[in-house]
Amino acid sequence: GENVEQHPSTLSVQEGDSAVIKCTYSDSASNYFPWYKQELGKRPQLIIDIRSNVGEKKDQRIAVTLNKTAKHFSLHITETQPEDSAVYFCAASPGGATNKLIFGTGTLLAVQP
Amino acid sequence: KAGVTQTPRYLIKTRGQQVTLSCSPISGHRSVSWYQQTPGQGLQFLFEYFSETQRNKGNFPGRFSGRQFSNSRSEMNVSTLELGDSALYLCASSAGQLNEKLFFGSGTQLSVL
Repeated sequence: GENVEQHPSTLSVQEGDSAVIKCTYSDSASNYFPWYKQELGKRPQLIIDIRSNVGEKKDQRIAVTLNKTAKHFSLHITETQPEDSAVYFCAASPGGATNKLIFGTGTLLAVQP
Repeated sequence: KAGVTQTPRYLIKTRGQQVTLSCSPISGHRSVSWYQQTPGQGLQFLFEYFSETQRNKGNFPGRFSGRQFSNSRSEMNVSTLELGDSALYLCASSAGQLNEKLFFGSGTQLSVL
């Protein structure tokens, strides 16, 4: 069935270091992979997304890579700042005419000043 | 544009009761999805509506139902509430038919006593 695994569940880094979060999906028909950031008590917000016809996408300090063969995708945050502290969710959209997303279980990122 | 609006923000019910949650999507968005968020299970897909039609349904019992109106506003209903239904219920809207960016509301925090 449809499944997205996310690792690690918690990640602590020093301010200025890089952070990497990895996800694996099971449905080979998946073709859309967004990442959401959720601060405590707030709604999830889209920070970056990638489609299956692209291998990498960057937006300032954030980048996402996709390996369709291995069914892996990763979020990279460089030069981390305390305001990056939040829970990050990866997701995959199954094939077909849908906006449905299957979410990973989340990564709690703590950036230590 | 106003964002996705969910009402009420908080709700306290007792076991056996039923509850109706409301979601107003971003103006012009025709797709509305509902997710249940709990600390242990993350974000679980409930159902998706597009132009008043349910396109997808997640693995939840029949006590969970929803509908979408001609103005794209959506409601979800949970009947015969159980303690395990306590969760944050998030609504998300998107503009198009498939693999579109989801924009989340702030959610309705439901507590079942």
